[in-house]
Parts: sequence; C-alpha cells; structure tokens
Amino acid sequence: NAGVTQTPKFQVLKTGQSMTLQCAQDMNHNSMYWYRQDPGMGLRLIYYSASEGTTDKGEVPNGYNVSRLNKREFSLRLESAAPSQTSVYFCASRQNRQLNTEAFFGQGTRLTVV
Amino acid sequence: AQKITQTQPGMFVQEKEAVTLDCTYDTSDQSYGLFWYKQPSSGEMIFLIYQGSYDEQNATEGRYSLNFQKARKSANLVISASQLGDSAMYFCAMSSASNTGKLIFGQGTTLQVKP
Repeated sequence: NAGVTQTPKFQVLKTGQSMTLQCAQDMNHNSMYWYRQDPGMGLRLIYYSASEGTTDKGEVPNGYNVSRLNKREFSLRLESAAPSQTSVYFCASRQNRQLNTEAFFGQGTRLTVV
Repeated sequence: AQKITQTQPGMFVQEKEAVTLDCTYDTSDQSYGLFWYKQPSSGEMIFLIYQGSYDEQNATEGRYSLNFQKARKSANLVISASQLGDSAMYFCAMSSASNTGKLIFGQGTTLQVKP
C-alpha cells in the first residue's frame, strides 16, 4: 500500500542544471498536485492536474514545467535550477475534484540548489 | 481569488489543555471545503479533519474539532486534551467550487506542547 511515492528524497543541484522530480500514486486518483514548502510560506501550489491529460498553473509556476504522463504519474521539471528553487517539494493526489476529498501526500523531496 | 490565512506562526500549550489554532479564508464561492493537516517534524502530511460549507454541524474527529463560523469566514481547529505527540506544524487548506479542484494552503502554525 504505497500511496504517493516521490523520487528522489534528496537532491543537490548546481545553478543552471536541470532535473525532474517524479511522482506516482497507486490509488487510482484523478487529481494530482505539486507544492513547494518554504519556511513561513506554507505550502504553495506550483501546478496541478485535475485529470489525466490536463494540467494547470498554480500560485508559483514560474521556472517549472509538469507532465501528467498517465493517470498514475505526474512529474515536475526544473529546466534551469536557481537558488530560489531550494525548497521541499511535495506531490499529492486526490480522488477527484469534489470538495470533500482529502489529499494524500508523498514524503517530500528536499532540493538544494547551490 | 481564494486565500487562506493563519495568523499564528507559533503557539504553546500545556499538556492536557485545549488549544485553538486560527484559520480564516476568503472566497466568493458558496460551495467550498476546508481541511486541516498536521505535519510532524518527520515531514509527512497527515489529514486531520474536513468541513464542508453546507455542513450544518461542526466537524469532529476524536480530539479534533472544527469551530466553523461561516459568516466570519473562519475555520479554527480545536485540539482537546493536548498530548506531547501533538507538537507539529498545522496547516489549514481550502478547495472551492470555482477553482476546478485546486487545494490552497495557509502559512501554517507551529504548535509546541509543554509537559
């Protein structure tokens, strides 16, 4: 019963490098999300996908791209990493867009850009 | 635009006492849902409680209850009989009908339970 799985758990990048954060869920959920967590800022939505084949910008999309590869997987790509993207990244999924469905979260990816 | 505000960056409570964590929200939608999550120092996000905008009664889940005041747009979390394991960061979140499934979070409140 894995739930939401994120890889990697930790990553150090040099400024300008690119990388992709992977997320997969095995709960047959339709909606998936990427957040970043910074001290004092809470969780801020980067991108989300309401269903397979759709993606939409959240509060802080600049510098990121996403791919909803299939129903299970939702990846987040940093094309040219910047120190401002140092953060903890969380992937989450929900059964659907109905208001009363809670989100399930992965364990997070701690990314440092030097 | 939807917004969640948690104005208490940090709170202290004595073990076995009750504590209220504040959350106010802003939305023009009539239909919305409010959530509380707990994040212990280990980092995982744990769902605690949900309140729908049309729910007539305040939500309760064990020692957690939600003090929902719709007119004031507040959804405060009440933890009764605090335990040392309640020390964590707590997040309020909202999903509303018009934002096509987005789940927006507040800044969080760090709660420390003193023995």
